[in-house]
Amino acid sequence: AQSVTQPDIHITVSEGASLELRCNYSYGATPYLFWYVQSPGQGLQLLLKYFSGDTLVQGIKGFEAEFKRSQSSFNLRKPSVHWSDAAEYFCAVGITGGGNKLTFGTGTQLKVEL
Amino acid sequence: DARVTQTPRHKVTEMGQEVTMRCQPILGHNTVFWYRQTMMQGLELLAYFRNRAPLDDSGMPKDRFSAEMPDATLATLKIQPSEPRDSAVYFCASGLGQPSTDTQYFGPGTRLTVL
Repeated sequence: AQSVTQPDIHITVSEGASLELRCNYSYGATPYLFWYVQSPGQGLQLLLKYFSGDTLVQGIKGFEAEFKRSQSSFNLRKPSVHWSDAAEYFCAVGITGGGNKLTFGTGTQLKVEL
Repeated sequence: DARVTQTPRHKVTEMGQEVTMRCQPILGHNTVFWYRQTMMQGLELLAYFRNRAPLDDSGMPKDRFSAEMPDATLATLKIQPSEPRDSAVYFCASGLGQPSTDTQYFGPGTRLTVL
């Protein structure tokens, strides 16, 4: 079965600093890959997704993610973090066969210091 | 700005009571999902529907949980009887197309506390 790992439970960055959130997946082929963000008290919102093509994907709110097949990774980046980016970030993997559902990682809580 | 709505936003109940959570998916979306989020288990898919028909409820405890879509604008998740271990945030999401490949739009969640 596919799985997704987010090794960092909590990350703290200063406002204006760059950000990278890690995501690794386990699956024999290239899955569908997603990053969602959950602001406090809110539901999840899609930041970006990757299926194929250009391995650098642009999303909303200035985020981007890079798919690296050799490392089975799909890390999320932002060059300059804003205080409003404080939230929980979830990486998710989708496989069309084997249940046809999304599997979410455990999430990374981002704190932004002013 | 179309959104998924969920009611109630918060629910506190006592063990053994019935709990009903409601969801209004985005108009025109044909797929509806129920998720449960806890600190220990993270985000788990409980069930999902397409065109109001249940396609997968393998993540749902069958003895006490039930999910239905009486019509295209309403999805319900019931717990009877509720137990303290059911305390969690329950999210409804809706979308178009395949669960594993297409964007899911989440509601704000129902925070359930079972005493």
